[in-house]
Amino acid sequence: GQNIDQPTEMTATEGAIVQINCTYQTSGFNGLFWYQQHAGEAPTFLSYNVLDGLEEKGRFSSFLSRSKGYSYLLLKELQMKDSASYLCAVKDSNYQLIWGAGTKLIIKP
Amino acid sequence: TAGITQAPTSQILAAGRSMTLRCTQDMRHNAMYWYRQDLGLGLRLIHYSNTAGTTGKGEVPDGYSVSRANTDDFPLTLASAVPSQTSVYFCASSATSEYPNEQFFGPGTRLTVL
Repeated sequence: GQNIDQPTEMTATEGAIVQINCTYQTSGFNGLFWYQQHAGEAPTFLSYNVLDGLEEKGRFSSFLSRSKGYSYLLLKELQMKDSASYLCAVKDSNYQLIWGAGTKLIIKP
Repeated sequence: TAGITQAPTSQILAAGRSMTLRCTQDMRHNAMYWYRQDLGLGLRLIHYSNTAGTTGKGEVPDGYSVSRANTDDFPLTLASAVPSQTSVYFCASSATSEYPNEQFFGPGTRLTVL
């Protein structure tokens, strides 16, 4: 079967750095996405990786290793507004997104 | 630009009743999707449409039906609602179904079936 694993919850301090990991086992691979979802709101797109390596976008970076079935999202200079759930999703061989359950990130002052 | 709109925002429905959740996008995207999101679970795909006139079944299609008569609209119908269909429903769209197009989400419909 297809599976996306991410930690259920993480806590970090304002101004710090946090790394949210995602491991996946899917039938085929056509890219990995990270989305942010604030409580009661819709998911919004953060980043996309299809080749191995690091993609940087401001305070957020995403890393992919296809051979290890592994990705992480790195958030720097954490702000209170970064408190949200972070969803990892992989596009499979049918170009459908398979979603992880999400990681709830709690930022403390 | 409105993006994707969904209606209603929330609904309480008696078991056995039918209901249609509406979804409209103004981005001229070819692909559209319906997901349900339940606590502790990832988004699960119900049905999708890669282009107007075509639809496909996702991971959890039972009890739901869709149509795609035109590019903009993708309604989801529950023929006879059951309590297990209590969930938050998100409609999404992307330029095409293939990578690297990200999906854009509507605000969601919170449905409670009693």
